[in-house]
Amino acid sequence: KAGVTQTPRYLIKTRGQQVTLSCSPISGHRSVSWYQQTPGQGLQFLFEYFSETQRNKGNFPGRFSGRQFSNSRSEMNVSTLELGDSALYLCASGQGDLNTEAFFGQGTRLTVV
Amino acid sequence: AQSVAQPEDQVNVAEGNPLTVKCTYSVSGNPYLFWYVQYPNRGLQFLLKYITGDNLVKGSYGFEAEFNKSQTSFHLKKPSALVSDSALYFCAVRDIMTGANNLFFGTGTRLTVIP
Repeated sequence: KAGVTQTPRYLIKTRGQQVTLSCSPISGHRSVSWYQQTPGQGLQFLFEYFSETQRNKGNFPGRFSGRQFSNSRSEMNVSTLELGDSALYLCASGQGDLNTEAFFGQGTRLTVV
Repeated sequence: AQSVAQPEDQVNVAEGNPLTVKCTYSVSGNPYLFWYVQYPNRGLQFLLKYITGDNLVKGSYGFEAEFNKSQTSFHLKKPSALVSDSALYFCAVRDIMTGANNLFFGTGTRLTVIP
C-alpha cells in the first residue's frame, strides 16, 4: 500500500508570493490533516479535512487555507508569504475516527526568502 | 484542553542499555495517546498508541510504552537501545473534543544512542 505522498518536497518562494502544497493520502483514507513544524513553535495543527469538508481548524491566520477533493487528495495554500512561514509542512492521512492512528508524509520544506 | 509535555529535550543512552523517553499528559476525558519518531528530513513515523486496554502497549521496532493514569504519564521504553534509534521522538494526544485527527504534540525529545 502506498504511503502518504506530499509534493513538492522542497520549495523556495519570495515574500509576498503564494504557494500551493499537495498531499495524496493513503488509499481509502478520507481524513487529511496539515501540520506546520518549525524549530521555535514545534508541531502545530493547521486544519483537517474529512470527506471534502473542513472539520477542524487550528490557530493560524486566514492566509492559510486548504481544500480536499473527491478523491481525498488535499491541497493547502498560503498567500502573501512571510519569512515566518518558512517551515516543514506535514500532511497526515487517517481513517478519521478516534481509535486509529494518523500516517504522515515526508513533508514539504518551504523556505521564504 | 488537551496537552502533552516532554520534560527532556535530550536523552543520551549507551547502545545496549535500556532507554526511556518521558511524556506526561493533560486531557479532558479519556486519553488517546501516541508516540511518533522523526528521522532527519523525514516525516513522522507512527510507533504505538494507547486508546484503551492494557497499560503496557507494544509497538514497532521493539518499542513499548507504559500508560499510568495516576501519574498521567505515557513513557516510551525500549529494553536495549540501538544506534539506529537515534532520532527525534514526539508524544501526542488526540483532541477528542474537536475532532479525530487533530493531534497535540509535545516539544520532542532528541534521543542519541552512543556506540
